[in-house]
Amino acid sequence: DAMVIQNPRYQVTQFGKPVTLSCSQTLNHNVMYWYQQKSSQAPKLLFHYYDKDFNNEADTPDNFQSRRPNTSFCFLDIRSPGLGDAAMYLCATSSWAGVSYEQYFGPGTRLTVT
Amino acid sequence: SQQGEEDPQALSIQEGENATMNCSYKTSINNLQWYRQNSGRGLVHLILIRSNEREKHSGRLRVTLDTSKKSSSLLITASRAADTASYFCAKLVGSNYKLTFGKGTLLTVNP
Repeated sequence: DAMVIQNPRYQVTQFGKPVTLSCSQTLNHNVMYWYQQKSSQAPKLLFHYYDKDFNNEADTPDNFQSRRPNTSFCFLDIRSPGLGDAAMYLCATSSWAGVSYEQYFGPGTRLTVT
Repeated sequence: SQQGEEDPQALSIQEGENATMNCSYKTSINNLQWYRQNSGRGLVHLILIRSNEREKHSGRLRVTLDTSKKSSSLLITASRAADTASYFCAKLVGSNYKLTFGKGTLLTVNP
């Protein structure tokens, strides 16, 4: 019954080596979000898609990119990971119908940069 | 910038006691939501309260909203060890579909 699935759950990459995190959903929600969460901190929104429309937060580094090829899937690409990019990456979805309701989160991908 | 903070940052109680967490915000909101996050996991939505509501209940959870003070509180009654988690409030401002999360309260319920 998994609704928001993230793969992999744990990812280790080398400094500067591109990495892709994936997210899929079975909820058919039109909005998908990517958050970065560092230890003991609040989730920080990186960007979101409203359908195919991409919305980048002003302070999201250019090193972070995203793709949403269809309603169900969304990817987070980190082009050249630095040590400071080690974090939990959370994908979430929401059904936008005039008023945003709750967001449904995946279990997260823990990224380690060596 | 983050909208408001949770208070306290950490709370430790015994099983069976009630836990109260507070959340403040700075600008008018559309709704306010509370989420729980178990260690190393994703967030789980607990309850949503709209700006025109003052109180809401869900099981052992009670949420209040005071728009004049720009604050909300989450009460967990008869706490259990399984309630141990971080609790975040998240604010929806305007009619966009982005939430702004506070820093969270780490709740520890000791058996």
